[in-house]
Amino acid sequence: SAVISQKPSRDICQRGTSLTIQCQVDSQVTMMFWYRQQPGQSLTLIATANQGSEATYESGFVIDKFPISRPNLTFSTLTVSNMSPEDSSIYLCSVEGPVPSQETQYFGPGTRLLVL
Amino acid sequence: QKEVEQNSGPLSVPEGAIASLNCTYSDRGSQSFFWYRQYSGKSPELIMFIYSNGDKEDGRFTAQLNKASQYVSLLIRDSQPSDSATYLCAVSAGANNLFFGTGTRLTVIP
Repeated sequence: SAVISQKPSRDICQRGTSLTIQCQVDSQVTMMFWYRQQPGQSLTLIATANQGSEATYESGFVIDKFPISRPNLTFSTLTVSNMSPEDSSIYLCSVEGPVPSQETQYFGPGTRLLVL
Repeated sequence: QKEVEQNSGPLSVPEGAIASLNCTYSDRGSQSFFWYRQYSGKSPELIMFIYSNGDKEDGRFTAQLNKASQYVSLLIRDSQPSDSATYLCAVSAGANNLFFGTGTRLTVIP
């Protein structure tokens, strides 16, 4: 599977500020995904990022709040804008297969965000 | 709305016992099924996948799929304390979209 890194690994931020999370993969992938995992909860997909096109956002998530960049096939960023304490969560990026299939997703280590 | 349901637990089993984790899903068109393990403070790690009805074994892990009943399970034989984690069931109907259950927290008691 691909090796995925995320920066920062954790951060504490003040409300009203923005944080950009980086996701780097050691191989080229078509699809990258951004998830949120709130304390004690499962994973919620924020958006899917394809290189060369606008990200596709899931219901309840909007580009103004979570702008995403995908400049090449190995890198993506997620920005959490105008943060509030409700944005405190773990943010995870993932990439598609190919092993065992493109439907498989592999996750980065996550970014733990606390908003005060 | 595609739903994936799991018993949140916690499920406690003694060391050496079989742990049985269950998952049901709502979308009959689902084709691929995955089990992820997530240790506290860590990201999910893929441990099993299954596409066809029946059983699939990998070491101490067995995934079982019954598409007619829309049911997938994970058995962990000879459970070890290191198996203590949250297990997430994920279901895909294609289009690079995985739907996750809320996870079952497993504790293996030494």
